[in-house]
Amino acid sequence: EPEVTQTPSHQVTQMGQEVILRCVPISNHLYFYWYRQILGQKVEFLVSFYNNEISEKSEIFDDQFSVERPDGSNFTLKIRSTKLEDSAMYFCASSEFHWVGYGYTFGSGTRLTVV
Amino acid sequence: SQQGEEDPQALSIQEGENATMNCSYKTSINNLQWYRQNSGRGLVHLILIRSNEREKHSGRLRVTLDTSKKSSSLLITASRAADTASYFCATAGNTPLVFGKGTRLSVIA
Repeated sequence: EPEVTQTPSHQVTQMGQEVILRCVPISNHLYFYWYRQILGQKVEFLVSFYNNEISEKSEIFDDQFSVERPDGSNFTLKIRSTKLEDSAMYFCASSEFHWVGYGYTFGSGTRLTVV
Repeated sequence: SQQGEEDPQALSIQEGENATMNCSYKTSINNLQWYRQNSGRGLVHLILIRSNEREKHSGRLRVTLDTSKKSSSLLITASRAADTASYFCATAGNTPLVFGKGTRLSVIA
């Protein structure tokens, strides 16, 4: 069964450093998403991406965050200058059709620890 | 916010028993979805029920939706130890999926 692949599975970074989280969505999917889950808390929407541009973003997704689909297969989330509160599990997801009406396929996540 | 909120927060049952988890939400939706998350892992899509549906089955899963009460329930019948996980409802309307806080289910062998 097709999978969404995320790398790395774990990332430890120093506060203030830039991190790039990588995702390979399912090949025929057109809609891509990033969510995050702070330990023990709910899964929060960050951003959705379609047709090479951001289609929606949450309040969490401020200027420190950016997304890119650099080569037609990878989908990346960059955090420009990490803060302690950015420590969380980051999930990439993709869907074949528009978010309304269909389930998403999630990756296994990247656990980001900012020290 | 259309976010779903599950209850109970935690549920512990014996293997073979049925597990029922509930979800409430606030605004109109196109569909409601249930996801499962094993500890420290990704979210796995279980089932989707559209706003014009009242009940849906998939294997040992049964989902109901009451749009008048803005609530849904997930029933897992004949639970197994392997069903131990967190279960999240997620609502889909005019925005990408919005998740609730989840119910942590423990099935004791």
